[in-house]
Amino acid sequence: DSGVTQTPKHLITATGQRVTLRCSPRSGDLSVYWYQQSLDQGLQFLIHYYNGEERAKGNILERFSAQQFPDLHSELNLSSLELGDSALYFCASRAGGAGSYNEQFFGPGTRLTVL
Amino acid sequence: AQSVTQPDIHITVSEGASLELRCNYSYGATPYLFWYVQSPGQGLQLLLKYFSGDTLVQGIKGFEAEFKRSQSSFNLRKPSVHWSDAAEYFCAVVPSGAGNKLTFGGGTRVLVKP
Repeated sequence: DSGVTQTPKHLITATGQRVTLRCSPRSGDLSVYWYQQSLDQGLQFLIHYYNGEERAKGNILERFSAQQFPDLHSELNLSSLELGDSALYFCASRAGGAGSYNEQFFGPGTRLTVL
Repeated sequence: AQSVTQPDIHITVSEGASLELRCNYSYGATPYLFWYVQSPGQGLQLLLKYFSGDTLVQGIKGFEAEFKRSQSSFNLRKPSVHWSDAAEYFCAVVPSGAGNKLTFGGGTRVLVKP
């Protein structure tokens, strides 16, 4: 158990819908990262938040957005869903300051299926 | 282009045999290097990391990895594989100055034969 929690574990929805994935980082970690794992793209970085502020963006679609709340949990919002958005979405958290290089600890993931 | 390559998509190894998984990176400066394991239906677990110093790194579950600057490689090894090592293994890097985001290789799926 990494200490990072993600809900829900599974999500099945239809095209065009909107979903919210939730992540709670390890106690004390200020950094939260989101990654997408799909069969065709592999594991890709989406976005990084540090203490409530967006720090870096990766290959995140405009239909996707995220935020980190004052209690440090984070949500990833996916809208206008397409079949190709079906994937495993991971959240990871990291200790240390925004510029430090400690390892990231991953949650168990949310498996999204878009029908 | 900057990249992380795991040349082997699948590897089959007998239980008790040794295992070596290859990882090569293409970056101007040496990045920070990691190996993660993903068991079926599970998240990613960190096996080991290399930031600097001794180029032979010991990790959890009996794994080790060797950083070779001249070959831009960070290969993962285990002397004797157990059936529970069947999983997918990912090499990942954080390039210097890249803001901590992990860039992953394509992964190597390991199958362990009894």
